[in-house]
Amino acid sequence: DTAVSQTPKYLVTQMGNDKSIKCEQNLGHDTMYWYKQDSKKFLKIMFSYNNKELIINETVPNRFSPKSPDKAHLNLHINSLELGDSAVYFCASSRRLGTNTGELFFGEGSRLTVL
Amino acid sequence: DQQVKQNSPSLSVQEGRISILNCDYTNSMFDYFLWYKKYPAEGPTFLISISSIKDKNEDGRFTVFLNKSAKHLSLHIVPSQPGDSAVYFCASMNRDDKIIFGKGTRLHILP
Repeated sequence: DTAVSQTPKYLVTQMGNDKSIKCEQNLGHDTMYWYKQDSKKFLKIMFSYNNKELIINETVPNRFSPKSPDKAHLNLHINSLELGDSAVYFCASSRRLGTNTGELFFGEGSRLTVL
Repeated sequence: DQQVKQNSPSLSVQEGRISILNCDYTNSMFDYFLWYKKYPAEGPTFLISISSIKDKNEDGRFTVFLNKSAKHLSLHIVPSQPGDSAVYFCASMNRDDKIIFGKGTRLHILP
């Protein structure tokens, strides 16, 4: 069983479209994250949720909206896609805030290509 | 503004020798320093961490050294094995549990 799974793994779409990436973790963790790895290979945090509550919201355009229906799921919805949104998006989870020593469990990534 | 810097994009090491990966950081308020390993088409996997109150942490073939005065940490892998070929990310965590990653160093282990 995959600990952190995200779908789809690959996504090719046109500029202006709206798309979603789903993430689920079966580790019983309280905290989930979205990271973006751009063409320069930087892994940058976008959002984190702790038990369905938004904790970290970096300076990400409001076209990006995370949604956490429960603590095992954190989905990422992107409106009006732009070329610069092309990247690999990684979902991750960790133990609850304050007990985490930096160990994140990542999904395999979702490669988004905007044409 | 990069708070975590890995200045070597790649490193080649002979199998059996020591691999040393370096990382510099700017924020002295970080609580933990971390190393992650990433294979192609996979997510990063946690390797080893060190608390800011320590200067060394060892786990099998992997040792991380922290030099707070120089704001520098390094990962030593000895002996290096073919399966160690991967991209290694240095990262740091602040008190808000926010983890900031470096750009990564690609390690090639040569036969």
